[in-house]
Amino acid sequence: EVHLVESGGGLVQPGGSLRLSCAASGFTFSSHRMNWVRQAPGKGLEWVANIKQDGSEKNYVDSVKGRFTISRDNAKNSLYLQMNSLRAEDTAVYYCASNYEWGQGTLVTVSS
Amino acid sequence: EIVLTQSPATLSLSPGERATLSCRASQSVSSYLAWYQQKPGQAPRLLISDASSRATGIPARFSGSGSGTDFTLTISSLEPEDFAVYYCQQRSNWPLTFGQGTRLEIK
Repeated sequence: EVHLVESGGGLVQPGGSLRLSCAASGFTFSSHRMNWVRQAPGKGLEWVANIKQDGSEKNYVDSVKGRFTISRDNAKNSLYLQMNSLRAEDTAVYYCASNYEWGQGTLVTVSS
Repeated sequence: EIVLTQSPATLSLSPGERATLSCRASQSVSSYLAWYQQKPGQAPRLLISDASSRATGIPARFSGSGSGTDFTLTISSLEPEDFAVYYCQQRSNWPLTFGQGTRLEIK
């Protein structure tokens, strides 16, 4: 059974940093592009970033370019999102997702 | 950026009825369109990929159609558990984008 488990969310002040992790199991992680998708409270879904299977290609939504970095460690079946210069508008549940499965999400709250 | 417009915003139907949800893209996405279902407090679940391919474990009452700019998700006969929010997503161009969602509610 496929499992994606996010961790690392929490409360952070504006301008601060946070690193999200996603532990994958139950499928061949290294064969899949992976995504981070977020959902602000009461709002719709917003795709944030994608990384190719070998990490050689990364794509971002404009609003996070230069602030967020997606990465992966295929040996550890893990996906990461380094978030810097956080803003109030980054407050959301962050989901780790392949093209087929999603984790349950981790909440990031940016507030003073 | 490709904008996806879903209609209607809210659809009120009764169990047993047929639901038809629409997703229109601002430019062609070929068949690179997915549909997701999200229930309150849960992560989205993939229903349909590549416009018409049902994901593993998805009941046959869910079907997708369309190509280019106009897509439809049809639920042939609504079950109580189908009342949720539905999103379309294009996987054709970066950035990937989602529609704003259609809320399917019990009439």
